[in-house]
Amino acid sequence: DAKTTQPPSMDCAEGRAANLPCNHSTISGNEYVYWYRQIHSQGPQYIIHGLKNNETNEMASLIITEDRKSSTLILPHATLRDTAVYYCIVGLRGGSQGNLIFGKGTKLSVKP
Amino acid sequence: NAGVTQTPKFRILKIGQSMTLQCTQDMNHNYMYWYRQDPGMGLKLIYYSVGAGITDKGEVPNGYNVSRSTTEDFPLRLELAAPSQTSVYFCASSYLTGTGSSPLHFGNGTRLTVT
Repeated sequence: DAKTTQPPSMDCAEGRAANLPCNHSTISGNEYVYWYRQIHSQGPQYIIHGLKNNETNEMASLIITEDRKSSTLILPHATLRDTAVYYCIVGLRGGSQGNLIFGKGTKLSVKP
Repeated sequence: NAGVTQTPKFRILKIGQSMTLQCTQDMNHNYMYWYRQDPGMGLKLIYYSVGAGITDKGEVPNGYNVSRSTTEDFPLRLELAAPSQTSVYFCASSYLTGTGSSPLHFGNGTRLTVT
């Protein structure tokens, strides 16, 4: 069973920030939060990950609550090409990453 | 770098036929994985490998076999194709560093239909 809960779908206007929530209330102290996305018919693409501090890279920002039970992925200026399924995953960083469980994710639709 | 390359992109099999899905990576990653994704669902891990000569079962290994004779290649074999194996198959790779694993790098998938 997936360790995370995400809304099945969200809409966002082009040029606005897209805020994708994720609940992971059973996360362990040594588990990271990972975000991937899958654009239609392509393989999933890594976006960002974090442990407890907020993280930012060229693609997105990750905000993790102080109790680590939830997080939000922020795409600051969504474009039509950001339309995809976004997966929030928790797992250990050491060893095989194959234990990461990809659930159904959130289907983000960016509209003009 | 080409990253993770999967062939073929599409294939139609008859029930009982066999085939090999090819996966190769040029990033010198030690970990490689095979996933399947059914329509509207997430990914399920079939098999994975932590290095050449070492493979292990994932969540849904039945009906599949793998081998890892080189670091670069990780083929997935279907011996007796069944309609339940109709799916999109993704290969992925990652490497282990001193502080943990890199993120997963995925290929663009093989769409398999068994009729």
